Amino acid sequence: IAGITQAPTSQILAAGRRMTLRCTQDMRHNAMYWYRQDLGLGLRLIHYSNTAGTTGKGEVPDGYSVSRANTDDFPLTLASAVPSQTSVYFCARRGRAFFGQGTRLTVV
Amino acid sequence: QKEVEQNSGPLSVPEGAIASLNCTYSDRGSQSFFWYRQYSGKSPELIMFIYSNGDKEDGRFTAQLNKASQYVSLLIRDSQPSDSATYLCAADSGGGADGLTFGKGTHLIIQP
Repeated sequence: IAGITQAPTSQILAAGRRMTLRCTQDMRHNAMYWYRQDLGLGLRLIHYSNTAGTTGKGEVPDGYSVSRANTDDFPLTLASAVPSQTSVYFCARRGRAFFGQGTRLTVV
Repeated sequence: QKEVEQNSGPLSVPEGAIASLNCTYSDRGSQSFFWYRQYSGKSPELIMFIYSNGDKEDGRFTAQLNKASQYVSLLIRDSQPSDSATYLCAADSGGGADGLTFGKGTHLIIQP
């Protein structure tokens, strides 16, 4: 079934560690997004990419970076994790924002 | 700043009744609007989208859009316990850059 695959599905991470959340699509869509979802704050855009080779900052980009080397992969990296980055992370595609299954990240 | 506002609820509706979910948005440039359903621990899933003023019906769901009032609603007829979930309203300004702006969601409870 076509869609977006995220990995890992959950992770407990020590503060200060580096972590990359993977996102792969098999739909060849140009525009991709990373959101985080927190209780009481809803879904907030972290970074986006409109096409391979380009990326942009969303509402809450600090502490995160992304790359888009090709159309299918859109990884999100936390360079040095902090507890406030504990959240559920969703990768999504444009338009109707088809979502991946999410990554539940806990930073301790 | 673009904002989408929803009542967080919980909204409690008896089984078989009509559930009415409401949403307002701040960006007059928003062109299309989406309703997502999210079950606890799951990712959001699209249930309705609407571009034009008026009503759009799909099965038990009706989306309503009033751009002059910057208001979007979702009606769920013949509510079922399986409709109990959080409903997210989202607005898309188009232009390709920004993704969707989401409301914080309304928690709907259908009482058997």
